[in-house]
Amino acid sequence: AQKVTQAQTEISVVEKEDVTLDCVYETRDTTYYLFWYKQPPSGELVFLIRRNSFDEQNEISGRYSWNFQKSTSSFNFTITASQVVDSAVYFCALSEGGYNFNKFYFGSGTKLNVKP
Amino acid sequence: DTEVTQTPKHLVMGMTNKKSLKCEQHMGHRAMYWYKQKAKKPPELMFVYSYEKLSINESVPSRFSPECPNSSLLNLHLHALQPEDSALYLCASSPRSSGVQETQYFGPGTRLLVL
Repeated sequence: AQKVTQAQTEISVVEKEDVTLDCVYETRDTTYYLFWYKQPPSGELVFLIRRNSFDEQNEISGRYSWNFQKSTSSFNFTITASQVVDSAVYFCALSEGGYNFNKFYFGSGTKLNVKP
Repeated sequence: DTEVTQTPKHLVMGMTNKKSLKCEQHMGHRAMYWYKQKAKKPPELMFVYSYEKLSINESVPSRFSPECPNSSLLNLHLHALQPEDSALYLCASSPRSSGVQETQYFGPGTRLLVL
């Protein structure tokens, strides 16, 4: 079974629209971390946020915000007033505890197209 | 500074060639990773080095041979590759605080084409 599901394969919006990228995860661990990365066409994965399982506070960073809900096993990412530079593939990832603590389980990614 | 560098950016090789990919970080990180990423897919973990020792090998074919000469450098030696090995190869590093899930910082990748 997939540990991280990003059901939205591709989303297209017009600049200045708000957009939410969904991430649903599955784990039996009580201690785990969730991450979001951005991958522009150049290829590099850019780290956006890391959240541990004990911290359910939502976070806002500029136009970016994250909604972590353990009750629904979701860690959604919202971009407010999207810009063309936000066009990229966005990956959600899960890291569990135990021996393989540094192994990431990536979702399949959501490609975001922001049109001018 | 969270920079991981990779060389070369692009590589074209024949199936009988031997080549190497190089990755470098100067953040004092003690864990380094190789990932393979095919088009429109997420990165797939290949190898993890922790304190210069191989800690995870995700059943990667022996035509890929990793090497960690020191804590800042990670190489991936390629030999007798197949066309299906064409992909983006990403290197990453993380601080390696024991037992804590850490942020991995990625390099820009090497785009490999095997002819």
